Amino acid sequence: EVQLVESGGGLVQPGGSLRLSCAASGFTFSSYWMHWVRQAPGKGLVWVSRINSDGSSTSYADSVKGRFTISRDNAKNTLYLQMNSLRAEDTAVYYCARGRLALFDPWGQGTLVTVSS
Amino acid sequence: QSALTQPASVSGSPGQSITISCTGTSSDVGGYNYVSWYQQHPGKAPKLMIYDVSNRPSGVSNRFSGSKSGNTASLTISGLQAEDEADYYCSSYTSSSTSFGGGTKLTVL
Repeated sequence: EVQLVESGGGLVQPGGSLRLSCAASGFTFSSYWMHWVRQAPGKGLVWVSRINSDGSSTSYADSVKGRFTISRDNAKNTLYLQMNSLRAEDTAVYYCARGRLALFDPWGQGTLVTVSS
Repeated sequence: QSALTQPASVSGSPGQSITISCTGTSSDVGGYNYVSWYQQHPGKAPKLMIYDVSNRPSGVSNRFSGSKSGNTASLTISGLQAEDEADYYCSSYTSSSTSFGGGTKLTVL
């Protein structure tokens, strides 16, 4: 069974940092692009970042560029999102998802990041 | 403000058909055949229902169908069932990124 499990969310103060992880299983992780998508409480989905299969190419939404870094460890079947200089508006459930742009399948269950003092 | 425009809500009775629209521009929906639709139940992760405008992943009911005309994509659900009540989001490829619609809440009356 294809499965994605996020972890690392929590409460952090504005300006702080957090690293999210997404453990993949049930498929050949190193063959797929991976993404992070977030959803603020009661709001819609917003694409955050993507990384290609070998980690050599990344892209980011303008709202997180320069603050967030996506990476992966294909030996550990794990995707990461390093989030620095966090702001209140970064508060959201963060989902990892497999796939190419505009095709995300499946999604993990999400991890909640709350930025507040 | 979302890049793609969806109606905030739609409703229908069991057995009826409904259509949810997703309007973009020639830079996203109109420019590529890379439109997908996701279903999200409260507190759950989104689920892919349609990809590349009109393709259904394995396991998704054939009551769900997608289409596109110009800058507007559409999701049609026929034979509405109570379990279809959820939020639905469209997404489209756009210039090395992905845009989502604001979401549509489907109520089954």
